Amino acid sequence: DTGVSQDPRHKITKRGQNVTFRCDPISEHNRLYWYRQTLGQGPEFLTYFQNEAQLEKSRLLSDRFSAERPKGSFSTLEIQRTEQGDSAMYLCASGATGTKNIQYFGAGTRLSVL
Amino acid sequence: GQNIDQPTEMTATEGAIVQINCTYQTSGFNGLFWYQQHAGEAPTFLSYNVLDGLEEKGRFSSFLSRSKGYSYLLLKELQMKDSASYLCAVSQGGSGNTPLVFGKGTRLSVIA
Repeated sequence: DTGVSQDPRHKITKRGQNVTFRCDPISEHNRLYWYRQTLGQGPEFLTYFQNEAQLEKSRLLSDRFSAERPKGSFSTLEIQRTEQGDSAMYLCASGATGTKNIQYFGAGTRLSVL
Repeated sequence: GQNIDQPTEMTATEGAIVQINCTYQTSGFNGLFWYQQHAGEAPTFLSYNVLDGLEEKGRFSSFLSRSKGYSYLLLKELQMKDSASYLCAVSQGGSGNTPLVFGKGTRLSVIA
């Protein structure tokens, strides 16, 4: 257990529906990252926060994706109007500034869009 | 552009030594990481190199050559539980804790 929690672990949805995932980072970590991983690939960066500020978004992140970290603690990732291509594992990681950039990952939320 | 290459699959025998190579071409460099990922689980941190040379941690060692854009992960005294994917990742710079760029991972199978 890395101390990073993600909920739910699995989500099955129909195309066109909206889904929201939650990540609770290690409590003293101020940085929080979202990655997406498909089978046989490494994680791909989506977006990250320092405290409540969203500092960077990948070009992979379409307008249907939005992420928040309202109080600088937990974060949510919402996907609107899901498509089959959104099926993937969504990983959250947390880290602290000044700590060699070591990121600790949660177990992920596996999304299946039917 | 950015590119991180590592072999797709490797097989090794229990008790043996295996070396997993990684080459990278990135727009910046602020550290190279190795993670282990068992199927369906979170990637777990194994090692970090920012200077050239070898870092040893128990049965695992990692080497970095920045001039060659090359790293390897060395696993000694292989155990069945070492069967997993091994991910090479680069931090491209900035003030730390920047997003990591990952390779596709090397799936290691340890056989008896």
